[in-house]
Amino acid sequence: SAVISQKPSRDICQRGTSLTIQCQVDSQVTMMFWYRQQPGQSLTLIATANQGSEATYESGFVIDKFPISRPNLTFSTLTVSNMSPEDSSIYLCSVGDSYEQYFGPGTRLTVT
Amino acid sequence: KQEVTQIPAALSVPEGENLVLNCSFTDSAIYNLQWFRQDPGKGLTSLLLIQSSQREQTSGRLNASLDKSSGRSTLYIAASQPGDSATYLCAVPYSGAGSYQLTFGKGTKLSVIP
Repeated sequence: SAVISQKPSRDICQRGTSLTIQCQVDSQVTMMFWYRQQPGQSLTLIATANQGSEATYESGFVIDKFPISRPNLTFSTLTVSNMSPEDSSIYLCSVGDSYEQYFGPGTRLTVT
Repeated sequence: KQEVTQIPAALSVPEGENLVLNCSFTDSAIYNLQWFRQDPGKGLTSLLLIQSSQREQTSGRLNASLDKSSGRSTLYIAASQPGDSATYLCAVPYSGAGSYQLTFGKGTKLSVIP
C-alpha cells in the first residue's frame, strides 16, 4: 500500500488567482493521477503525471489551466490557474500499486 | 467508453440491517473492480479490490462480489452501524490490463440510523 499526503487540506481563494496543490507519497511510484470531484459529483480524471515526461491530460482539461509538475518519483503538484467559482471542488491525487489505487485525503477548494 | 452506474443513489437503513449496494459497468473486459468509501468532504478509502479471476472478496462485515459476464458487482454490508454512514463508490480501470486510470460511478450515499 501507499500513504499519500496532500497540502493544503482546504483553501478559500479569490477569483482570478492560482493555487498549487502538493501531493507526497511515501514510496516511489511511476504514475500519479490527479482527479477532480465537483460538488455532488463523482471523480473525474484530470491528468496522469509520469516522472520525466509531460503530463497527459484528459478531454476537457488543458495544461494552461491545470499545469502539473512531477520532479521526482514521490512528489507532484497540480496548479489550478485563473480560478473561477466553477473550480470549487475537491482535488485528489492517487497512485497505482499492483493495479490497486490509493488516494490522498484531498484538497477542498472554494473559489469566491 | 466505460460507464459505471450505481444504484441506489441514496439509501437509509436502521442500525443492524444487512444491505446491498449495486454497481454495473458497460465494458466487461475489466481486470479488477475496486470499492471505496468516502466520508463527507474527505478523500477515498479503499475497501475491497476484486480481481477479474475472483468472484468474491471479504473484509470484516463487507463482502463484494463480481460477475464480469453480466457487468455487475455488489457490496454487501452486514449488521450495519452508524459509522458505516458514508458514500460508497465503485470504480473500474479505463481499459485494458496495465491501466491504472479509473472510471467511477456516482456513488451510493448510505445513512445508517441509530
